[in-house]
Amino acid sequence: NAGVTQTPKFQVLKTGQSMTLQCAQDMNHEYMSWYRQDPGMGLRLIHYSVGAGITDQGEVPNGYNVSRSTTEDFPLRLLSAAPSQTSVYFCASSYSIPNAGETQYFGPGTRLLVL
Amino acid sequence: AQSVTQLGSHVSVSEGALVLLRCNYSSSVPPYLFWYVQYPNQGLQLLLKYTTGATLVKGINGFEAEFKKSETSFHLTKPSAHMSDAAEYFCAGGRTGFQKLVFGTGTRLLVSP
Repeated sequence: NAGVTQTPKFQVLKTGQSMTLQCAQDMNHEYMSWYRQDPGMGLRLIHYSVGAGITDQGEVPNGYNVSRSTTEDFPLRLLSAAPSQTSVYFCASSYSIPNAGETQYFGPGTRLLVL
Repeated sequence: AQSVTQLGSHVSVSEGALVLLRCNYSSSVPPYLFWYVQYPNQGLQLLLKYTTGATLVKGINGFEAEFKKSETSFHLTKPSAHMSDAAEYFCAGGRTGFQKLVFGTGTRLLVSP
């Protein structure tokens, strides 16, 4: 199993550009989520999905879109990049909702710099 | 509101010394609690978790944590630090019915020879 994979590993964008961060998992997990990690702020939930076709907003959803057309993939779209979106982005998956005690499996992260 | 607080953004220990990383949660109902570790330039991986049952939880790499309801704490310990333990550690908590898992701000463990 590859686990959770993310591409790209690093990206530089100019303000106003759009891009898609890719996330895939091969563990047949229903729950997937996107976090951003910023110094001194821990991990903050952007969007999550409890299954194919079902997504919902997390703590900091503004400026991001998601979709879940398959169980395996959960891409994160930045609509119009802003310097405030400079961060490290992590995708995670779990068999069920982590609030019920399920372990999350994290990808290696995408480091995004917006100029 | 549910929250998880980690005391100390940095903890420094010598190799062989006791490691103690502190985590407190706020909740009227005992939550599910996790410790995750993040090595440099990597994603997070689970160290251990408390769901129900035994309050002393053993994890990987010799770490353990004790759930203390009276103190609303879930501190992480390891009797003897190793250089390879240098990493950032995150405490997280959640309860069934809540929208999301809440992460602490992280504690960076520095281990000196």
